[in-house]
Amino acid sequence: DAGVIQSPRHEVTEMGQEVTLRCKPISGHDYLFWYRQTMMRGLELLIYFNNNVPIDDSGMPEDRFSAKMPNASFSTLKIQPSEPRDSAVYFCATGEGKRGYTFGSGTRLTVV
Amino acid sequence: GIQVEQSPPDLILQEGANSTLRCNFSDSVNNLQWFHQNPWGQLINLFYIPSGTKQNGRLSATTVATERYSLLYISSSQTTDSGVYFCAPAGSARQLTFGSGTQLTVLP
Repeated sequence: DAGVIQSPRHEVTEMGQEVTLRCKPISGHDYLFWYRQTMMRGLELLIYFNNNVPIDDSGMPEDRFSAKMPNASFSTLKIQPSEPRDSAVYFCATGEGKRGYTFGSGTRLTVV
Repeated sequence: GIQVEQSPPDLILQEGANSTLRCNFSDSVNNLQWFHQNPWGQLINLFYIPSGTKQNGRLSATTVATERYSLLYISSSQTTDSGVYFCAPAGSARQLTFGSGTQLTVLP
């Protein structure tokens, strides 16, 4: 089991550019979560999916953020246009039922 | 949503010492996990423990759901235990809510 796979591990981009973060969940997991970690706000939920359907996106900060899960093997988080305040570590986590969730290694995003 | 309080916020130990980290939460839970965030930023799942007691080597955890708290015990601490420990419960909704963490530093 390769675990939850996130790419890229690091991303540096200029303000105004589009950024796409990717996540491959553990096979068989039917829940997928996107979290963001900053020094100021800690770990906060952005959005989560169940069986590829978005369930709660109330944590998505604004319309510049969007997330998709086109199939059970892949999810993306897109920021367009990016701003310096979006700089953070973005984590993807997946799980099933009542066994708890596993986190990926995260993507460190820096917007300059 | 669920409110989570972790204590202490910071803890400095000498290698070999024992410690107890506490997590209070505001509502009934269907899930509760303890994570260790290592110096490289990885979030390592330590325990899935919505109730009861579990042990894994030098670490153990207890959740008393009726009283809305969970404890993480670290015995014979090692320098590699350093990092931030997070408690993250989930209520009727599936998402985990993270506390602000306990920053643990183990000195050699």
